[in-house]
Amino acid sequence: EAQVTQNPRYLITVTGKKLTVTCSQNMNHEYMSWYRQDPGLGLRQIYYSMNVEVTDKGDVPEGYKVSRKEKRNFPLILESPSPNQTSLYFCASSFPGGNTEAFFGQGTRLTVV
Amino acid sequence: LAKTTQPISMDSYEGQEVNITCSHNNIATNDYITWYQQFPSQGPRFIIQGYKTKVTNEVASLFIPADRKSSTLSLPRVSLSDTAVYYCLVGDIMQAAGNKLTFGGGTRVLVKP
Repeated sequence: EAQVTQNPRYLITVTGKKLTVTCSQNMNHEYMSWYRQDPGLGLRQIYYSMNVEVTDKGDVPEGYKVSRKEKRNFPLILESPSPNQTSLYFCASSFPGGNTEAFFGQGTRLTVV
Repeated sequence: LAKTTQPISMDSYEGQEVNITCSHNNIATNDYITWYQQFPSQGPRFIIQGYKTKVTNEVASLFIPADRKSSTLSLPRVSLSDTAVYYCLVGDIMQAAGNKLTFGGGTRVLVKP
């Protein structure tokens, strides 16, 4: 089954404690990205990757890091989480082009206290 | 990227047809129109995509007039499980900036019994 898998689904952590949210896709998609969703602000892109070893900033990259060492995986790293990073995070993947279907993961609800 | 405007919310009843119109006055020649559905705390899910005229799949129909400045998503005979937020997106097939999906506020559809 074609899918994007994120882990964990829920995470509560403390300020400053490094964490990684994993994302994996099984569709051989070149393009992967991370979004955060906040009430009233909609979905905003954090980082994206157009292929292995190619990553770039989205609209809200501050406080996040990513890596793309393998085509299927695109982890999101918070080196020093802060409460303003409390949000619902989604990973997405697709083939290139604005007319392609993007597949989203189930989401990771992160709370930073 | 073309900006989209859609109603904030719509109410309907089970068995009725729901039509959501999206305005995209600045749509460019290379832009496709795509609709996503999002249930609470889940990732967006692709519904339908089109370039012009009418597209139909097992879930919905998409009507695009000749000037392409608007589009209408039609959900036939909705059920309670169609209660969700529906997003209209416009994307460039030649897009090089990482397939960024620009989500607006979406339309919150509430289906009542």
